[in-house]
Amino acid sequence: EIVLTQSPGTLSLSPGERATLSCRASQSVSSSYLAWYQQKPGQAPRLLIYGASSRATGIPDRFSGSGSGTDFTLTISRLEPEDFAVYYCQRGKTFGPGTKVDIK
Amino acid sequence: QVQLVQSGAEVKKPGSSVKVSCKASGGTFSSYAISWVRQAPGQGLEWMGRIIPILGIANYAQKFQGRVTITADKSTSTAYMELSSLRSEDTAVYYCARDRSTTVVTWFDPWGQGTLVTVSS
Repeated sequence: EIVLTQSPGTLSLSPGERATLSCRASQSVSSSYLAWYQQKPGQAPRLLIYGASSRATGIPDRFSGSGSGTDFTLTISRLEPEDFAVYYCQRGKTFGPGTKVDIK
Repeated sequence: QVQLVQSGAEVKKPGSSVKVSCKASGGTFSSYAISWVRQAPGQGLEWMGRIIPILGIANYAQKFQGRVTITADKSTSTAYMELSSLRSEDTAVYYCARDRSTTVVTWFDPWGQGTLVTVSS
């Protein structure tokens, strides 16, 4: 069973800054099925990125995904106030533990 | 545009069962899989299982084998998740989500709004 590890656990940044979130798999995985989600309090998760680097419908281009093998990255180029949330990576039946992006 | 609408919050006694529904509208229900994912208070996301409605075939996470049953009614475009032998640790928000593939678990989009199940004596 693949284990996904996300780092950091919490990222404290200011609006306008760049956020870089990491997702590491315990073994090499196909990037075809690596996804990222955003979740705000009281809301369901929302798909941001699928196939490691493809943006889902309606997702702003400040969100980008990259990576392959065991190391994947979600980058938010310039944080907007609405981007402060928890972000999860997922591959198959496994989710990472999440990274919380909060306001510094 | 497919939307998934779930049934309302439930309060259950330990040892009982709960059945949560997930109705799809605005798209083709049977061509995809529907997964169930739960989230305990303050915790992360946990995949429970999924069903391919067109085939009626379900598979489950090992952790929930024997306690969860996922079914689908193609005539009403509704999926169901029933969890039995409830204990306090099952208190969580339960989500349904569409998985675009019927062969492997890919990614989940869209998600239902979630159903809070509280297990308490």
